[in-house]
Amino acid sequence: QVQLVQSGAEVKKPGASVKVSCKASGYTFTSYGISWVRQAPGQGLEWMGWISAYNGNTNYAQKLQGRVTMTTDTSTSTAYMELRSLRSDDTAVYYCARAEGSGSSLWGQGTMVTVSS
Amino acid sequence: DIQMTQSPSSLSASVGDRVTITCQASQDISNYLNWYQQKPGKAPKLLIYDASNLETGVPSRFSGSGSGTDFTFTISSLQPEDIATYYCQQYDNLPQYTFGQGTKLEIK
Repeated sequence: QVQLVQSGAEVKKPGASVKVSCKASGYTFTSYGISWVRQAPGQGLEWMGWISAYNGNTNYAQKLQGRVTMTTDTSTSTAYMELRSLRSDDTAVYYCARAEGSGSSLWGQGTMVTVSS
Repeated sequence: DIQMTQSPSSLSASVGDRVTITCQASQDISNYLNWYQQKPGKAPKLLIYDASNLETGVPSRFSGSGSGTDFTFTISSLQPEDIATYYCQQYDNLPQYTFGQGTKLEIK
């Protein structure tokens, strides 16, 4: 079954880091990139960045440069997104999506990250 | 960075109505434009890619058009199950993606 399965919900304190995983199955992991998209409560979609699962090349949204790192582990077909120096406005649902050159037809189920003291 | 301006931000229509949403790019993006549907608590669903191509399995009442800076998304006959928020998304060869602000569609 072709799917992306994300790790579970997280609660973090301001200033901490969070690392969300996204495990791919049912397709050749290295044939596509992975995009990360987040959605704050009641807000729209925000693209965070992209990583090539083939060679690890990345491109991050300018707004998050310096705080976000995306990696992949091809041995387990898993992508990771780490966000550091968390603030309350990082509270959001974080999605991974398969980057298919144009749109993304395959998405993870989402991971809720709550930043609260 | 390319900015995407989507309008309207919300829309109320009756079942059977023709519904149109527009998206304007801040610069020429050729046909590098996708449309997504998102229902509450769910991940986005790709409906249209490359401005006018219908994703497999998506009903034919959904369509997209445009190129350059101006794009249109249309539902030819609104159905109750179409109640959702719709987003445009541009992409380039970096790759970098930008979403529009979204259009919340409600039944009148």
